[in-house]
Amino acid sequence: NAGVTQTPKFQVLKTGQSMTLQCAQDMNHEYMSWYRQDPGMGLRLIHYSVGAGITDQGEVPNGYNVSRSTTEDFPLRLLSAAPSQTSVYFCASSPGDSANYGYTFGSGTRLTVV
Amino acid sequence: TQLLEQSPQFLSIQEGENLTVYCNSSSVFSSLQWYRQEPGEGPVLLVTVVTGGEVKKLKRLTFQFGDARKDSSLHITAAQPGDTGLYLCAGASVAAYKYIFGTGTRLKVLA
Repeated sequence: NAGVTQTPKFQVLKTGQSMTLQCAQDMNHEYMSWYRQDPGMGLRLIHYSVGAGITDQGEVPNGYNVSRSTTEDFPLRLLSAAPSQTSVYFCASSPGDSANYGYTFGSGTRLTVV
Repeated sequence: TQLLEQSPQFLSIQEGENLTVYCNSSSVFSSLQWYRQEPGEGPVLLVTVVTGGEVKKLKRLTFQFGDARKDSSLHITAAQPGDTGLYLCAGASVAAYKYIFGTGTRLKVLA
């Protein structure tokens, strides 16, 4: 099994550009989440989904959109990139409640906005 | 606001030494999990502790959940360079039931 696959691994954007970070999992997990990791701030939840067609906001959702049309895929869209969105982004999945099962994480996308 | 505070924040030790890292909160947690994150990779789940006082062992790593389920510790015996990484605790408090990550302990084991 590939687990959780994120693409791209690295990306540089100019301020105002938009892009989509891809995330796919092959474990048939219902729960999927997007986190950003910043020095001194830890892992912060951006958006999450408890199943296909269901999404909700996390702690820091502004400037990001998500959709969940299939169980496997959970893309994260940056609408108009800002330097404050420079970060490492992680997609994670869980077979159910993360408090019970924990997450399987992808290897991350390092995004720089200039 | 529920918080998971980890200590120490940074730890640099020699190969073969023992160490303990702590994860503390003022809230009661239904369970706590520990992850290890290596540079350039995502966190990897190590263990879940559920019952107050529970002790779990994973080779040289020993995890304990506090009796009151407000804290946890990770003890590493005879640390090796391969143990180097960022150690994160995580969980959801009984009151807020929002899954959060701790502040992290960055461990470096020198050969």
